[in-house]
Amino acid sequence: GDSVTQMEGPVTLSEEAFLTINCTYTATGYPSLFWYVQYPGEGLQLLLKATKADDKGSNKGFEATYRKETTSFHLEKGSVQVSDSAVYFCALKGRNYGGSQGNLIFGKGTKLSVKP
Amino acid sequence: NAGVTQTPKFRVLKTGQSMTLLCAQDMNHEYMYWYRQDPGMGLRLIHYSVGEGTTAKGEVPDGYNVSRLKKQNFLLGLESAAPSQTSVYFCASCFLAGGPSGELFFGEGSRLTVL
Repeated sequence: GDSVTQMEGPVTLSEEAFLTINCTYTATGYPSLFWYVQYPGEGLQLLLKATKADDKGSNKGFEATYRKETTSFHLEKGSVQVSDSAVYFCALKGRNYGGSQGNLIFGKGTKLSVKP
Repeated sequence: NAGVTQTPKFRVLKTGQSMTLLCAQDMNHEYMYWYRQDPGMGLRLIHYSVGEGTTAKGEVPDGYNVSRLKKQNFLLGLESAAPSQTSVYFCASCFLAGGPSGELFFGEGSRLTVL
């Protein structure tokens, strides 16, 4: 079945450091890919998404490119801030809606801590 | 904007007790979901609903029941709570699932502890 694998954390960085969180997926067909972020004490919220190969999603300085050849959707940010401290989830939505009904398949999450 | 609201936010139960978590959304969304979040496990789907009066099982449905009597509400019930159900529960909704880029909107979570 469909699955998402993301790098295990926690990841600790200094402010202004470069961030990469790796995400790879297994899916039939051409899924849509998402990054969700969960700030402390809150629910998840969509950070960015890409719906087809070579699409680049971007938001709040974060970027991720849908790479079909490597089945990857790595999250990057050039200069992290303390306010970026959160848990980041990679997710996919398959295109077989008959069974999944649009359900998202989540990775296990990567906790990021940014120190001043 | 309220969005997705979950009640209660926190609850402590004893083994064998029952309780209901309520999820309410004011965005007129058709699809609603209940997930549980456990350390190192990510989010796992418990049950979902594709419209008023319909429910379906997700990945980990055992020990839970759900009802969707009104479009805006999705209830998650535990008939006889077990310590393995200690978790953080998230409700989510989306307008239509039949599209590749549909965004899920999440509530803030309900932390349940079963002693």
